[in-house]
Amino acid sequence: GAVVSQHPSRVICKSGTSVKIECRSLDFQATTMFWYRQFPKQSLMLMATSNEGSKATYEQGVEKDKFLINHASLTLSTLTVTSAHPEDSSFYICSASGRANVLTFGAGSRLTVL
Amino acid sequence: DAKTTQPPSMDCAEGRAANLPCNHSTISGNEYVYWYRQIHSQGPQYIIHGLKNNETNEMASLIITEDRKSSTLILPHATLRDTAVYYCIVSSSGAGSYQLTFGKGTKLSVIP
Repeated sequence: GAVVSQHPSRVICKSGTSVKIECRSLDFQATTMFWYRQFPKQSLMLMATSNEGSKATYEQGVEKDKFLINHASLTLSTLTVTSAHPEDSSFYICSASGRANVLTFGAGSRLTVL
Repeated sequence: DAKTTQPPSMDCAEGRAANLPCNHSTISGNEYVYWYRQIHSQGPQYIIHGLKNNETNEMASLIITEDRKSSTLILPHATLRDTAVYYCIVSSSGAGSYQLTFGKGTKLSVIP
């Protein structure tokens, strides 16, 4: 149990376009989901906390207008990278708590901006 | 969240036990010790967690010192598929709304 699914797993886009990444909790409901970003050879960095039915909470230094988060249901949160640039190329990972005291992570979405 | 200190890398022979240490000297009384691992280009995978007592599951054992200032993750019989970066994280939990702060972890290489 407690499976988190991300889609797409890989995406390549042109600079200036927007990309949407979906994060779904498959067998549980998640009022809170977390979005992380990981650059090559670095650790995961928390970007934002996604709250169902309310605004997301962003970490310091993360632009809320660039990384739009929508958590419209108890099983789906989306991250939209708007006007993507090459420096936004990264590995984006979401997580949610499906078991008591345990966060489950998705497989990640690798974004490459040309 | 309290910070943790882990060795940057370790090697382990296939079939032998892998013992990964973690120091968390500033851990608070309500903070758990969590271990996750990340295989290359995948999302982190939960391994085990504990508060005070030692814990064991199908993947690993977690040994926490009595003063809770350090812990050791034990993979009893390491295989090549256990090669990954292992993260030790301390965090308080609250109704599933907590978050995890990742450090640099330990890169474990299992050698044939």
